[in-house]
Amino acid sequence: DQQVKQNSPSLSVQEGRISILNCDYTNSMFDYFLWYKKYPAEGPTFLISISSIKDKNEDGRFTVFLNKSAKHLSLHIVPSQPGDSAVYFCAARVNAGNNRKLIWGLGTSLAVNP
Amino acid sequence: NAGVMQNPRHLVRRRGQEARLRCSPMKGHSHVYWYRQLPEEGLKFMVYLQKENIIDESGMPKERFSAEFPKEGPSILRIQQVVRGDSAAYFCASSLSGHPGDTQYFGPGTRLTVL
Repeated sequence: DQQVKQNSPSLSVQEGRISILNCDYTNSMFDYFLWYKKYPAEGPTFLISISSIKDKNEDGRFTVFLNKSAKHLSLHIVPSQPGDSAVYFCAARVNAGNNRKLIWGLGTSLAVNP
Repeated sequence: NAGVMQNPRHLVRRRGQEARLRCSPMKGHSHVYWYRQLPEEGLKFMVYLQKENIIDESGMPKERFSAEFPKEGPSILRIQQVVRGDSAAYFCASSLSGHPGDTQYFGPGTRLTVL
């Protein structure tokens, strides 16, 4: 049962344009959402997060939008750069007791073409 | 400030052998998390530890797998009598505290191959 879904396995974007990566979730108990970026043979690198009490968080070229009613979030990267080419993972967490585990999507591979 | 360190980066074992994976958290971090990524899948939580304590092991297989985070030294993920299905990338993450909003920082992973 995939609680966090990234339905697009891959995305190709031209340099300078906007990249939009999508993520859907099923568990209404999730209270915190994160985006990680991963290069081959490396560990995930934290990018940006958003609490469930917000609908937008921005950090430089990265903006995450959360639509709780639709159980949907998206990561916008603008302008996209070739160095952004990587696999992007959406992750979510339930804030309950000692629970700190992150539930991950399968990732979207982004290719930014020069 | 060194990041999360994992060793070895690559580990090859034959079926039935033991695998020991080590994780040194970032300096000052006392919370460690282990995740496993099987081929073509996303990361799956395995276990969350504080120094000398297992806080949440709900993602650990019931048999052959164990984890520890001693007072001194790195966290160890131990897999006994490995099978081919254990072949995966094992990632360790650490956080400064156990606060829910704390970011988990990941190491480069250990890629385990079972022959």
